[in-house]
Amino acid sequence: DTAVSQTPKYLVTQMGNDKSIKCEQNLGHDTMYWYKQDSKKFLKIMFSYNNKELIINETVPNRFSPKSPDKAHLNLHINSLELGDSAVYFCASSRSVRGSRNTIYFGEGSWLTVV
Amino acid sequence: GENVEQHPSTLSVQEGDSAVIKCTYSDSASNYFPWYKQELGKRPQLIIDIRSNVGEKKDQRIAVTLNKTAKHFSLHITETQPEDSAVYFCAATMGSNDYKLSFGAGTTVTVRA
Repeated sequence: DTAVSQTPKYLVTQMGNDKSIKCEQNLGHDTMYWYKQDSKKFLKIMFSYNNKELIINETVPNRFSPKSPDKAHLNLHINSLELGDSAVYFCASSRSVRGSRNTIYFGEGSWLTVV
Repeated sequence: GENVEQHPSTLSVQEGDSAVIKCTYSDSASNYFPWYKQELGKRPQLIIDIRSNVGEKKDQRIAVTLNKTAKHFSLHITETQPEDSAVYFCAATMGSNDYKLSFGAGTTVTVRA
């Protein structure tokens, strides 16, 4: 009954491969996010969707493509993986009610290692 | 982070002492300031937050203060315990965009028994 769940938790793959990370939330939230945490623990937003609509698209290589089939799911597909893509990718979700508490709930993270 | 600076990067305290982490932000339109705790190998989890219309908020051993004029906010942990050892992140909304949080670089807190 994990609130924000993402799979796989660990992923080791070779350079040049294409991989996907899936995320689902059962909190009834309508906003979902992908964050990247690098080796120095720095957390940076990549994308955000609100009701399946892309609302935040930070400066991320176009090898990264998010897809939101419905508001409870946000997947991340990465093409032509590079060594620098190695990081922990966190999915997250929140309510979208403006002006109210905007707690972001994170998933457990997906540890991606590109070799 | 691009808009949020956090200090110190590491903090070692004796059990029972207090720990203080400070953050500054650049955008005067920022209006929401959460703090997250991340234990080793775990997800970041919200521990306390504050909105721009409040100057201070307390929850048991944890308190946050906000100075909007100076654009800085701080986390205070009193009577530290070993389980407080973790990485702590401050964050601020980017302008008035509630969806977009800019995180500080994190503070690794170690509580010595």
